[in-house]
Amino acid sequence: LAKTTQPISMDSYEGQEVNITCSHNNIATNDYITWYQQFPSQGPRFIIQGYKTKVTNEVASLFIPADRKSSTLSLPRVSLSDTAVYYCLVGDMDQAGTALIFGKGTTLSVSS
Amino acid sequence: DAGVTQSPTHLIKTRGQQVTLRCSPKSGHDTVSWYQQALGQGPQFIFQYYEEEERQRGNFPDRFSGHQFPNYSSELNVNALLLGDSALYLCASSLGQSSTYGYTFGSGTRLTVV
Repeated sequence: LAKTTQPISMDSYEGQEVNITCSHNNIATNDYITWYQQFPSQGPRFIIQGYKTKVTNEVASLFIPADRKSSTLSLPRVSLSDTAVYYCLVGDMDQAGTALIFGKGTTLSVSS
Repeated sequence: DAGVTQSPTHLIKTRGQQVTLRCSPKSGHDTVSWYQQALGQGPQFIFQYYEEEERQRGNFPDRFSGHQFPNYSSELNVNALLLGDSALYLCASSLGQSSTYGYTFGSGTRLTVV
């Protein structure tokens, strides 16, 4: 079973900032938090990964509070092309044999 | 730098038949994982191959088997196909068995069982 809980869907408009929160109450000490994006009929694409505090790359930011029981993916100024399913995953990514376990994800719909 | 390549892209099979799907990992990657994704669902982990051995397996019956070759490419075999096996089958590659730097997924093989 997936170890995370996310909203099923979210709606936004172009140019807005979108924040998707993921709950992972039973996150283990060695677990990382990873987000993937998936477009229809394509494989998931790695967006960002973090362990604590804040991580930022050219695509998104990931905010992780001190207790690590939740995390928030922030997409600045979304466009129509950001319409996709976003998956939050947790796992010990340094542990040999770790398999990515996906939940149902959050379907983000961006409108003009 | 080639990403993950899967073949074929689409496939139609009849119930009871057998199917083989193929995956070439991203250059420099040595670990391959396979996933099944039904319509509207998240990808479900089937198994992972590293050093030509199955290292971890999800909750899938023995009808699902695989192989990894010395060049790190991999095959997924499904025997005695059921209608419920219709799905997008995804291959993901990574460096080593950890995924610290993320998995790279292919675009998948769409299998339809009729």
